[in-house]
Amino acid sequence: QKEVEQNSGPLSVPEGAIASLNCTYSDRGSQSFFWYRQYSGKSPELIMFIYSNGDKEDGRFTAQLNKASQYVSLLIRDSQPSDSATYLCAVPSSGTYKYIFGTGTRLKVLA
Amino acid sequence: GAVVSQHPSRVICKSGTSVKIECRSLDFQATTMFWYRQFPKQSLMLMATSNEGSKATYEQGVEKDKFLINHASLTLSTLTVTSAHPEDSSFYICSASGAGLFSYEQYFGPGTRLTVT
Repeated sequence: QKEVEQNSGPLSVPEGAIASLNCTYSDRGSQSFFWYRQYSGKSPELIMFIYSNGDKEDGRFTAQLNKASQYVSLLIRDSQPSDSATYLCAVPSSGTYKYIFGTGTRLKVLA
Repeated sequence: GAVVSQHPSRVICKSGTSVKIECRSLDFQATTMFWYRQFPKQSLMLMATSNEGSKATYEQGVEKDKFLINHASLTLSTLTVTSAHPEDSSFYICSASGAGLFSYEQYFGPGTRLTVT
């Protein structure tokens, strides 16, 4: 059974700090990795994706991928209260277009 | 990013009636669409995958006769909940991927909140 794991949290960080969200996956054949943000009562919103080892930056967000260790992380710099949401890690199941989602990490940014 | 719309955003229906939910990709051609259901404080649950012009592929445990999916064009997929019951009350979300997008990239619609009384 292919799995994607995330700490459910809540992860609480003070405003202005760096929030670090982690995700591990079991399928070594996975090639691309997606981070979504979901506010309570809303649908998921794509933040960014990564497919190469290393870091990928987009504004305040940085995705980090380490295929050897099978983990992907999302860093949020200068965290704001508006970043408070559940962050979902999604990994396409090999050979299909279906996502395997982690359970999500609930982030709380304290003003 | 790409835009996906859903209609209606909220619907209340009586037990035993059918409800149709539309999902549209507004600025790209959606070769594949996905339908999810999410109960409060739970993860997204994939119900089915549909490709334009083909029959939908349902996940294990999802009744295909109860949740009818039609992906008639590259911009429209519909989910019909037939003979709805209170336990079908949930948040239904579609997503789409397709031409012009990075492979495997999915964009989600805003969701439809269904309440069956």
